[in-house]
Amino acid sequence: GENVEQHPSTLSVQEGDSAVIKCTYSDSASNYFPWYKQELGKRPQLIIDIRSNVGEKKDQRIAVTLNKTAKHFSLHITETQPEDSAVYFCAASKRGGYQKVTFGTGTKLQVIP
Amino acid sequence: SAVISQKPSRDICQRGTSLTIQCQVDSQVTMMFWYRQQPGQSLTLIATANQGSEATYESGFVIDKFPISRPNLTFSTLTVSNMSPEDSSIYLCSVNLQGTSGSNEQFFGPGTRLTVL
Repeated sequence: GENVEQHPSTLSVQEGDSAVIKCTYSDSASNYFPWYKQELGKRPQLIIDIRSNVGEKKDQRIAVTLNKTAKHFSLHITETQPEDSAVYFCAASKRGGYQKVTFGTGTKLQVIP
Repeated sequence: SAVISQKPSRDICQRGTSLTIQCQVDSQVTMMFWYRQQPGQSLTLIATANQGSEATYESGFVIDKFPISRPNLTFSTLTVSNMSPEDSSIYLCSVNLQGTSGSNEQFFGPGTRLTVL
């Protein structure tokens, strides 16, 4: 089955700096890669996703890149703000997300004011 | 987007007992997913529940321990049977639906926080 690895497990950045979280996946059939943000005590919320037919996607301060050949994808957050502090999970799925999603181990991001 | 509710939101149970968690969605969905999130950990898929067929369990999870019902396209239950302290976790249901972007997204319920004494 699919295996998703995520690094780093914790990340501290100064407010205004950028944060990068990296993930690798094992199943070349995976074609949908969502990223979730989970605040303490709350459910995971989708913040951005990318499908295998594109290499990069951007939404305001958040961007994701995908390298299908190397089977890795990354989340980039620019101009970080304290409200970006949360746990971030990458994930991978087949069939555009209509099947089960396999999650990475999570990255706890702390943005220091 | 989707409105997903779970009951109960939390419970404290005694070892050896069972708890049934309910998940209700405001849209009809083919598949519903049940995840477990142990304290400080990631989400692990327990099983996929399709209406009208047996649930499909992931490696390490069995029907006797986590029986699932899926009586219709908007509702599912997960039972945690013969509980032990190791079952203390947050249990979340999830569905795939069209999001605000027009693409398929996975939405999560608010979770059920289970503590087993």
